[in-house]
Amino acid sequence: AQSVTQPDIHITVSEGASLELRCNYSYGATPYLFWYVQSPGQGLQLLLKYFSGDTLVQGIKGFEAEFKRSQSSFNLRKPSVHWSDAAEYFCAVGAGGNKLVFGAGTILRVKS
Amino acid sequence: GAVVSQHPSRVICKSGTSVKIECRSLDFQATTMFWYRQFPKQSLMLMATSNEGSKATYEQGVEKDKFLINHASLTLSTLTVTSAHPEDSSFYICSVSQGAGSYNEQFFGPGTRLTVL
Repeated sequence: AQSVTQPDIHITVSEGASLELRCNYSYGATPYLFWYVQSPGQGLQLLLKYFSGDTLVQGIKGFEAEFKRSQSSFNLRKPSVHWSDAAEYFCAVGAGGNKLVFGAGTILRVKS
Repeated sequence: GAVVSQHPSRVICKSGTSVKIECRSLDFQATTMFWYRQFPKQSLMLMATSNEGSKATYEQGVEKDKFLINHASLTLSTLTVTSAHPEDSSFYICSVSQGAGSYNEQFFGPGTRLTVL
């Protein structure tokens, strides 16, 4: 069965510092992978997705993610974090029929 | 992307009562809607998938008689938690999509916090 692991429950970074959020997945075939962000009072927003092709994917708000098949990973990165990036981030894998299997999420705190 | 609303945003009810949660797609023809449940510090768990005009498909372990889903139009789906109990307290999130294949993007509502006393 498909599964997603986000090892870090909380991460705190200083404003302006770089960020990497980890995501590992378990899936038998080529995965469809997603990163979503959830801010309080708002619905999940899609940051980026990987279906095929270039393994380095660019998303909105300056985020990018790299698909590494050998490591079953799809880590999210941002070179310089802004205070407004503080939120909860979810990695997800497509599970067939447009279903999504989500990780437990990583809460990002940004300190000034 | 699509704008999705949920009503109410939070609800408190007594044990044994039923609660209805609405999910509306404001500017999007949502042929498929999904209902998720999110426990504190846990991931979203898919409860059911519904296609407009059809019966919902429930995930394994989700009681269909407990969680009634109606998707009567392309802009509205409702989730009714019947005879709610404290263990049903959770955060319920809906999402909408224009199809159930090829990973059509899902657009999420802001969620409904249900507390059963």
